[in-house]
Amino acid sequence: EAGVAQSPRYKIIEKRQSVAFWCNPISGHATLYWYQQILGQGPKLLIQFQNNGVVDDSQLPKDRFSAERLKGVDSTLKIQPAKLEDSAVYLCASSLGGGGPDTQYFGPGTRLTVL
Amino acid sequence: AQSVAQPEDQVNVAEGNPLTVKCTYSVSGNPYLFWYVQYPNRGLQFLLKYITGDNLVKGSYGFEAEFNKSQTSFHLKKPSALVSDSALYFCAVDYKLSFGAGTTVTVRA
Repeated sequence: EAGVAQSPRYKIIEKRQSVAFWCNPISGHATLYWYQQILGQGPKLLIQFQNNGVVDDSQLPKDRFSAERLKGVDSTLKIQPAKLEDSAVYLCASSLGGGGPDTQYFGPGTRLTVL
Repeated sequence: AQSVAQPEDQVNVAEGNPLTVKCTYSVSGNPYLFWYVQYPNRGLQFLLKYITGDNLVKGSYGFEAEFNKSQTSFHLKKPSALVSDSALYFCAVDYKLSFGAGTTVTVRA
């Protein structure tokens, strides 16, 4: 079974530029999550989708971050404009989404460096 | 708010010795608790979870964890550590996964 796919694996941009990350979850997983992991910290949930609807985006900085999952499968996370403090690893995870505490399966992440 | 704490930034053990990584939690209601491991330049890998039932949970790679409600703890354990267990370990609570800061485990040969 293929795992969660993410691209690109690495990205370097200058502040005020825009960037987009892509995630393809495990086939059949209804729930998709985006996390931000700053160096030395645990991952922090940015947004959770159930199929193509947003369940929780309370910690997403909406003035600069946006995410979509239009067809309920793959998802894109965008930052525009980027700030230095956005340097982090962005992790995508998916779960079956049957309700309750599903196990989340993580992709390899995208390491973003903002100069 | 749901939260977990990992009181040790680093744990160092010799290969073959028991390994314990500590986690305490703070939740309202019944906790859902998870352990994940992260190897360099890789995503998080699921080890085990506690939802309900038996307080001793067995997981992947020989790891287990003991849920202790009175001490609000969920410590990860392995009876005999391997050098390949060297990694970053995260405890998390709730199915939206509020993570601790992580504990770096180093197993020396």
